[in-house]
Amino acid sequence: EAQVTQNPRYLITVTGKKLTVTCSQNMNHEYMSWYRQDPGLGLRQIYYSMNVEVTDKGDVPEGYKVSRKEKRNFPLILESPSPNQTSLYFCASSRTGSTEAFFGQGTRLTVV
Amino acid sequence: AQSVAQPEDQVNVAEGNPLTVKCTYSVSGNPYLFWYVQYPNRGLQFLLKYITGDNLVKGSYGFEAEFNKSQTSFHLKKPSALVSDSALYFCAVRDGGGDYKLSFGAGTTVTVRA
Repeated sequence: EAQVTQNPRYLITVTGKKLTVTCSQNMNHEYMSWYRQDPGLGLRQIYYSMNVEVTDKGDVPEGYKVSRKEKRNFPLILESPSPNQTSLYFCASSRTGSTEAFFGQGTRLTVV
Repeated sequence: AQSVAQPEDQVNVAEGNPLTVKCTYSVSGNPYLFWYVQYPNRGLQFLLKYITGDNLVKGSYGFEAEFNKSQTSFHLKKPSALVSDSALYFCAVRDGGGDYKLSFGAGTTVTVRA
């Protein structure tokens, strides 16, 4: 089954404790991205990757890092999480071209 | 820069009545337009897209959307709403001549009452 898999689905952590949210897709898509969803703001792009070893900042990259060492994986790293990073996070992938993006199930992160 | 506006935070309709969710966009190149739906505790599911061709596009679950270039709109419609259509709906735009970045609207919560 074609899918984007994020882990964990839910995470509660403390301020300053490094964490990684994993994202993996099995569709051989070139393009992958991370979004955060906040009430009234919709989805905002954090980082994106056009292909392996190619990443770039989205609209709200501060406090986040990403890497793209393999085509299928695109982890999101919070080196020192803060309470304002409490949010619902989505990973997405798509084939370069006109096709739609496929989204993971989301990761609800709470930073206390 | 590209952006999407969904002017209504909430839309309430009775089951069996027509449903419309409004979306306007701004993009410098050719617009690629998408509608996604989010059910509680779920990811976003693709409903339909406009890339080129016929201005009326049909998608999943009986939804359709009309692309209007002069009004820069891409409203989502369903002729007869179901209670199960209650969800959060997002409109998104991409610049067809640019990178692959999707810009989303703030979302519209649809409630269909029985």
